[in-house]
Amino acid sequence: GAGVSQTPSNKVTEKGKYVELRCDPISGHTALYWYRQSLGQGPEFLIYFQGTGAADDSGLPNDRFFAVRPEGSVSTLKIQRTERGDSAVYLCASSLTGGSSYNEQFFGPGTRLTVL
Amino acid sequence: DQQVKQNSPSLSVQEGRISILNCDYTNSMFDYFLWYKKYPAEGPTFLISISSIKDKNEDGRFTVFLNKSAKHLSLHIVPSQPGDSAVYFCAAKPQGGSEKLVFGKGTKLTVNP
Repeated sequence: GAGVSQTPSNKVTEKGKYVELRCDPISGHTALYWYRQSLGQGPEFLIYFQGTGAADDSGLPNDRFFAVRPEGSVSTLKIQRTERGDSAVYLCASSLTGGSSYNEQFFGPGTRLTVL
Repeated sequence: DQQVKQNSPSLSVQEGRISILNCDYTNSMFDYFLWYKKYPAEGPTFLISISSIKDKNEDGRFTVFLNKSAKHLSLHIVPSQPGDSAVYFCAAKPQGGSEKLVFGKGTKLTVNP
C-alpha cells in the first residue's frame, strides 16, 4: 500500500519568500505530524494533528510557521518570510490513534528546503 | 537542552558481530522509548519500541534494554548485517496527551562485510 508522500521532494527558495510543503498521510491514519531535521540533528517536533485540529503545536518555532489539515487528510506546512535558518529537511509522519500502546509513526521521505 | 542524547555519532562493527547503540535521557516523564532507522534520502523507519514499565523487548535480531534508574536504553543487533548500515535514532514519547516524539541526534552504524 501507499506510504506517506511529501511534495515537493526538494524546494529552493530565496530569503523572504513564502513556501508551502504538502503531506499525504497513509489512508485511514487520523494523526499527522510535522518534524524538521537540520543537518547533523535528529528530527525536531513541530506540530501534531488529530483529525482536522492541531492537538499540539508547541514545536512551531515562531509565527512564520503555520500548518493546516482542513479535511483531516492532506496537510500543508506554510512558512512565511523564509530565513536561511529555515533550511532543513521537513518530515511528515502519520499514525493510527487510540488504544493503550504506542502507535507507530510512519514517516515520509521528507522535503528538503533550501533558503538562499 | 537535549532530553534524549546519543553520545556516539558513529559506530563501526564487523558483520556477524553484535552492534550496541546507546541512548540516555534526562526526563523521567517518558512512557515509551523507540528506535528508528534511517537510510539516506528516506524517512525514518520504526524498528522497535519499549514501554517504560518494561526492561527488555526483543524482535528477531533486535533487542532493546531499558535501565530506568540509569535513564539509559540500548539497542542490540545480533548478528549485525551489512544491510543494517544506517543512522539509528533513539526517540521518546512524553507522558500525557501528545503523541509527539523527542529524538536524539542519531548514531551512524556501519557494518563491514
